[in-house]
Amino acid sequence: ILNVEQSPQSLHVQEGDSTNFTCSFPSSNFYALHWYRWETAKSPEALFVMTLNGDEKKKGRISATLNTKEGYSYLYIKGSQPEDSATYLCAPTVNNNDMRFGAGTRLTVKP
Amino acid sequence: KAGVTQTPRYLIKTRGQQVTLSCSPISGHRSVSWYQQTPGQGLQFLFEYFSETQRNKGNFPGRFSGRQFSNSRSEMNVSTLELGDSALYLCASSLVGANTGELFFGEGSRLTVL
Repeated sequence: ILNVEQSPQSLHVQEGDSTNFTCSFPSSNFYALHWYRWETAKSPEALFVMTLNGDEKKKGRISATLNTKEGYSYLYIKGSQPEDSATYLCAPTVNNNDMRFGAGTRLTVKP
Repeated sequence: KAGVTQTPRYLIKTRGQQVTLSCSPISGHRSVSWYQQTPGQGLQFLFEYFSETQRNKGNFPGRFSGRQFSNSRSEMNVSTLELGDSALYLCASSLVGANTGELFFGEGSRLTVL
């Protein structure tokens, strides 16, 4: 069973703070990794799909990095805004057919 | 372009009953995957269908089943409902498949089992 860990479980920051969180996964037979944002009362929304070691993706103030050799990905949010408040989920895939979601990091940004 | 549509949005059942949930993917998407979310748990993968064939399956009992039709619409069925089946059930469609393609999620069907 693919073991995915996300840390921290929850995070409270002030508006304007930059923050980051981690997704850890088995490094063997890595295939791809997805990041999703899930706002309350909405559907999860895709942020990034990453496949290559050393990959770095950016969308506005949010960016992600990937290290497939050591089995982790970081998600960074620069200058957090209240609208960034959401649960951030990572979902690695190994062996091309086993994708599992982590439990998520719940971010709350206080104005 | 219409998004992923799930019906019904809310439903209440009693233990022992069965339930069928429906998911209409984005037009052109051939992959539909299903997920369960219970309080305190992340999204748990149920199964994925691609072009009417089950391509992958999670660790759920046989009471959970699904199918996909030729128009890519998918249904999932849960038989002999248990209290622990109360959850939000999400489906997601993808152009190329759940593992590498971007997933587009529906709003979910919230099932309560009494």
